[in-house]
Amino acid sequence: GNSVTQMEGPVTLSEEAFLTINCTYTATGYPSLFWYVQYPGEGLQLLLKATKADDKGSNKGFEATYRKETTSFHLEKGSVQVSDSAVYFCALKSYNQGGKLIFGQGTELSVKP
Amino acid sequence: DTAVSQTPKYLVTQMGNDKSIKCEQNLGHDTMYWYKQDSKKFLKIMFSYNNKELIINETVPNRFSPKSPDKAHLNLHINSLELGDSAVYFCASSPTQGVNYGYTFGSGTRLTVV
Repeated sequence: GNSVTQMEGPVTLSEEAFLTINCTYTATGYPSLFWYVQYPGEGLQLLLKATKADDKGSNKGFEATYRKETTSFHLEKGSVQVSDSAVYFCALKSYNQGGKLIFGQGTELSVKP
Repeated sequence: DTAVSQTPKYLVTQMGNDKSIKCEQNLGHDTMYWYKQDSKKFLKIMFSYNNKELIINETVPNRFSPKSPDKAHLNLHINSLELGDSAVYFCASSPTQGVNYGYTFGSGTRLTVV
């Protein structure tokens, strides 16, 4: 079945460091890929998405490129801030799945000043 | 105006009780979902409705029963609560079931069964 695997957390970085959170997926066909962010005590917010191979999603300095050849959708940011501390979820949505969004296990990011 | 609102935000109850969580969206979306987030933050779909019709019913104990009176509302009723039901429950909506659309999530209901 379809699945998403993210790198284990927690990830701890200093402010202004470069961030990469790895995400790989297994799916039949051509899914759409998403990154969501969850701040403490809140619901999930859509951060960015890509709907076809080689698409790059970007938002608030975060970027991810849909790589079909490596079945990956790694999240990157050039310079993190303390306010980026949160849990990040990679997710996919496939055709004929009733709109179901399948999530990875989440990666906790902690940014220190 | 909150796009997807859930009530209550916190729910503490004893084992064996019956409780409900309500969800409303004002986005005009056709599809609504319930997800369960466990203590390790793992998110799993429970149900989805499209315009009041049940679309997804994952392997969930039949103590859990969703109800959608109209496409803007999706409620979750839980009978005979157990300790293992303690989790955060999220409601979400999307414009359609289409693969290109993400979800808008509510802020969650933290259920604690004691």
